[in-house]
Amino acid sequence: GNSVTQMEGPVTLSEEAFLTINCTYTATGYPSLFWYVQYPGEGLQLLLKATKADDKGSNKGFEATYRKETTSFHLEKGSVQVSDSAVYFCALSGNTGANSKLTFGKGITLSVRP
Amino acid sequence: DTGVSQDPRHKITKRGQNVTFRCDPISEHNRLYWYRQTLGQGPEFLTYFQNEAQLEKSRLLSDRFSAERPKGSFSTLEIQRTEQGDSAMYLCASSLSGTSGYEQYFGPGTRLTVT
Repeated sequence: GNSVTQMEGPVTLSEEAFLTINCTYTATGYPSLFWYVQYPGEGLQLLLKATKADDKGSNKGFEATYRKETTSFHLEKGSVQVSDSAVYFCALSGNTGANSKLTFGKGITLSVRP
Repeated sequence: DTGVSQDPRHKITKRGQNVTFRCDPISEHNRLYWYRQTLGQGPEFLTYFQNEAQLEKSRLLSDRFSAERPKGSFSTLEIQRTEQGDSAMYLCASSLSGTSGYEQYFGPGTRLTVT
């Protein structure tokens, strides 16, 4: 079945540091890939997505590239801010209606200190 | 606010009681999903509907769990004879079939505590 593996956390960075959060996946076919973010006290929000190999999703300074050859979808940001402190989840879904449910990784907590 | 809403936001119940949660999806979305999230874990799929039809149920969904979406709009998730292991955040999400990547939009969740 489908699965998503995220790097172990938590991660603590200083403001303006470079961020990489690793995500690899196992899936049949050609899944869509997502990063969701959960800010303290809030619900899950879609951060970015990519629907086919070599696509790059981007939003709010975050980027992730769909790498089929390495089955990865690593999240990067060049300069993090305190407001980026949150829990980040990598997820995938199938590309057919019958397989549209999301499979999530365990999530990683990012803390950014001033 | 046209996002996904859930009610109640918090529920505390005694073991053995029944509880029911409600989810109102984004109005034009025809797909509705339920997930469960425990502390330190990512959400896990429970079930989903396309319009009023329940198309898939996870093996996580024991016989004590039932979900409905009678008119293809709001949905309810009922847990009968609650157990302490049912304590979790229950998340609802909706999406529009046919959209690229089937991106799902989540509600704030209902946190269930079984004492």
